[in-house]
Amino acid sequence: AQSVTQPDIHITVSEGASLELRCNYSYGATPYLFWYVQSPGQGLQLLLKYFSGDTLVQGIKGFEAEFKRSQSSFNLRKPSVHWSDAAEYFCAVGPMDSSYKLIFGSGTRLLVRP
Amino acid sequence: NAGVTQTPKFQVLKTGQSMTLQCAQDMNHNSMYWYRQDPGMGLRLIYYSASEGTTDKGEVPNGYNVSRLNKREFSLRLESAAPSQTSVYFCASRGNPRGWGGNEQFFGPGTRLTVL
Repeated sequence: AQSVTQPDIHITVSEGASLELRCNYSYGATPYLFWYVQSPGQGLQLLLKYFSGDTLVQGIKGFEAEFKRSQSSFNLRKPSVHWSDAAEYFCAVGPMDSSYKLIFGSGTRLLVRP
Repeated sequence: NAGVTQTPKFQVLKTGQSMTLQCAQDMNHNSMYWYRQDPGMGLRLIYYSASEGTTDKGEVPNGYNVSRLNKREFSLRLESAAPSQTSVYFCASRGNPRGWGGNEQFFGPGTRLTVL
């Protein structure tokens, strides 16, 4: 079955520290991969996406993610976290066909300690 | 551009009441989607419409109906609301695969629905 696992429900980091949010997926073929961020009371905003090519992708707000096919992972990283990064982060996978139905992980809530 | 808009922002219903959630996009996108978001479960797809005139079920379609009114609008209807449908509902759209924005879904701000 297709699924996305985000093993960390909550993560707390100090401002200025580095961040890594984990995402593992189970999918029949190489899917499209995404990270979205949701601030409280808001919709989802795309941080970055992977379709093909370079396995290290850069996104907005200083985020990057690395696709590792052998580990079925797509972890999100940021070298130095800012207080404004506190939000919920969702990893998602989708098929390379016209239906494009995304499957979301359960999310990781990031708390930033001053 | 307003992007994806949803109305209403908040709604409280009693069990058994009906209502329609409205969604519109002004990006000329072909595909539109309805998700529900529940704590600890991420977003789950209710229905989607790959193009005007077509709709299809997602992961959790029971208790819902949809209408793709035209290319811009995609509504979600609850015929007889139940407490289990208390959730935050998000609409999203996606463009042509080869066109601008064709590789990502754009989300609306959400509708917070409570069923008593």
